[in-house]
Amino acid sequence: GQQLNQSPQSMFIQEGEDVSMNCTSSSIFNTWLWYKQDPGEGPVLLIALYKAGELTSNGRLTAQFGITRKDSFLNISASIPSDVGIYFCAGRENTGTASKLTFGTGTRLQVTL
Amino acid sequence: SAVISQKPSRDICQRGTSLTIQCQVDSQVTMMFWYRQQPGQSLTLIATANQGSEATYESGFVIDKFPISRPNLTFSTLTVSNMSPEDSSIYLCSARLRREGWVEQFFGPGTRLTVL
Repeated sequence: GQQLNQSPQSMFIQEGEDVSMNCTSSSIFNTWLWYKQDPGEGPVLLIALYKAGELTSNGRLTAQFGITRKDSFLNISASIPSDVGIYFCAGRENTGTASKLTFGTGTRLQVTL
Repeated sequence: SAVISQKPSRDICQRGTSLTIQCQVDSQVTMMFWYRQQPGQSLTLIATANQGSEATYESGFVIDKFPISRPNLTFSTLTVSNMSPEDSSIYLCSARLRREGWVEQFFGPGTRLTVL
């Protein structure tokens, strides 16, 4: 089956630093999503990308839909303690409502003061 | 914004018993999904809950083990049957709905299940 590989697997950064993580696929996706999961909670949608090459921002978060349709990147600028959590990418092959999401392996972010 | 809620939020169960998890969405949705998240792992789709018909299960998941109901467009249940410690996971309900300017897939808070 499809796999989405995320890197890095975990990160320890200092407050104020910028963060970059990426997600790569063995197959093409038409939608890329980025979620954040806090301990004991369900994933929360951060950014949705629908077009190859698209660059979208949501506050301090910026994500890009790779030109090849096989990758996506998430950047967090000026990290703060509440950025701590696990970030998941997710891809959808088709644009129809019945198409399923495939989730990445996750990037665990720790922020030190 | 539409809200997805789940009950119970957590439970500790004995081996061999069954647990039914409820998912309620506060607006009508076509697509509802059930995911499993094993400790420290990513999310794996169990099945898509279809209103008025049987759920569609992913490879590795069967109806006898994870029966699903979808009686209407706002509600679904997932039962974890004949539980073993390997079933200890977070079970997440998800729905495709309009929220925060998107029409996308959102998640409930999850049900944390521990099987002894």
